Amino acid sequence: GEDVEQSLFLSVREGDSSVINCTYTDSSSTYLYWYKQEPGAGLQLLTYIFSNMDMKQDQRLTVLLNKKDKHLSLRIADTQTGDSAIYFCADRMDSSYKLIFGSGTRLLVRP
Amino acid sequence: EPEVTQTPSHQVTQMGQEVILRCVPISNHLYFYWYRQILGQKVEFLVSFYNNEISEKSEIFDDQFSVERPDGSNFTLKIRSTKLEDSAMYFCASSGRRTQPSGTEAFFGQGTRLTVV
Repeated sequence: GEDVEQSLFLSVREGDSSVINCTYTDSSSTYLYWYKQEPGAGLQLLTYIFSNMDMKQDQRLTVLLNKKDKHLSLRIADTQTGDSAIYFCADRMDSSYKLIFGSGTRLLVRP
Repeated sequence: EPEVTQTPSHQVTQMGQEVILRCVPISNHLYFYWYRQILGQKVEFLVSFYNNEISEKSEIFDDQFSVERPDGSNFTLKIRSTKLEDSAMYFCASSGRRTQPSGTEAFFGQGTRLTVV
């Protein structure tokens, strides 16, 4: 079945850029999403990209999609301590509304 | 900003008891979902609901689970006879405005932590 994989942990210094990577297996993915989860909180939709795009920018966030390699990344510019959270990648197939989530990447921002 | 709200935030129940988890989706959304996250594991899809019926469900969503939209605003998940392995965070989500039925953006609630003892 479809699968989404992420690295588990990333540590960056405040002010640096963070890049969180994700790979997925399903060729029929139509939308790919990034969600943020802060401690004790729900899943906050950060951004998403349609599969016929290769880049989307939204303020400090840049999403890059390499459909050939089934690779998605989220770049956070000028990372702040408030960005410390778990970041989930998720994909949605053409035939379905359900989201398939990765395990999440825990981002730690050091002062 | 509209949001999905879930109650209660934490529920403790004895094994074998029935529980109902409640959600109020974003007004005018058309699609409703339940997901769960067992501690340390991935967020898993349980069920989607559209036009007053289940549109898709996972293998996890067996006969012990049911969903209902009893009054046009609430969306509930019932677990008939809870097991220890049902302990998890349960997330409700909704998507799809009447003007954009594609349901591209799914918004999640804060979750209900269910502990079965």
